[in-house]
Amino acid sequence: DGGITQSPKYLFRKEGQNVTLSCEQNLNHDAMYWYRQDPGQGLRLIYYSQIVNDFQKGDIAEGYSVSREKKESFPLTVTSAQKNPTAFYLCASSTRDSPYEQYFGPGTRLTVT
Amino acid sequence: AQKITQTQPGMFVQEKEAVTLDCTYDTSDPSYGLFWYKQPSSGEMIFLIYQGSYDQQNATEGRYSLNFQKARKSANLVISASQLGDSAMYFCAMRPLAGNNRKLIWGLGTSLAVNP
Repeated sequence: DGGITQSPKYLFRKEGQNVTLSCEQNLNHDAMYWYRQDPGQGLRLIYYSQIVNDFQKGDIAEGYSVSREKKESFPLTVTSAQKNPTAFYLCASSTRDSPYEQYFGPGTRLTVT
Repeated sequence: AQKITQTQPGMFVQEKEAVTLDCTYDTSDPSYGLFWYKQPSSGEMIFLIYQGSYDQQNATEGRYSLNFQKARKSANLVISASQLGDSAMYFCAMRPLAGNNRKLIWGLGTSLAVNP
């Protein structure tokens, strides 16, 4: 079955540690996205990539980094510079054809203490 | 500036009744797409329905339909015959269709509770 996988579902880290969230898709989508969602809030775009080896900052990129070495994979690193990293992180990818609707993974809930 | 507004933080509906979730938008783009997503308590965002600004007819997908009123800049989601499994957060989103920009602009969502 085609889809987007994110692992793990829950992640716990100590403050000051970097942590990498995994996102893999087998939908053959060119574009991939990372969003952050806080309780009671909508989605905020962290980074997106429209093609391999290229990515752009979204609205809240500070304290995060990404790579896109393979079409299928778009890992997100939450660095120690991110002041408030505890949140729900969603990865998405979009279709080749307009209107490029986005399809989402199950999300990773990160808790930093 | 582009913006999506969902004015209903929470809605209740009786099982088997229809419900309308409001979405208004602001954009200066001549062509744009409007999307609705469902987010159950598990967290995953599920794509429901799409409406293009130049589409002559309102979009429908099963029990979901989109009441698109271009002059009023509204794109309300109508769910017919509500089911208990429809209880979730619902998000409206928009993107311009011209160019290669695939970023979505998101509303803050509406929480729907379906009562038995």
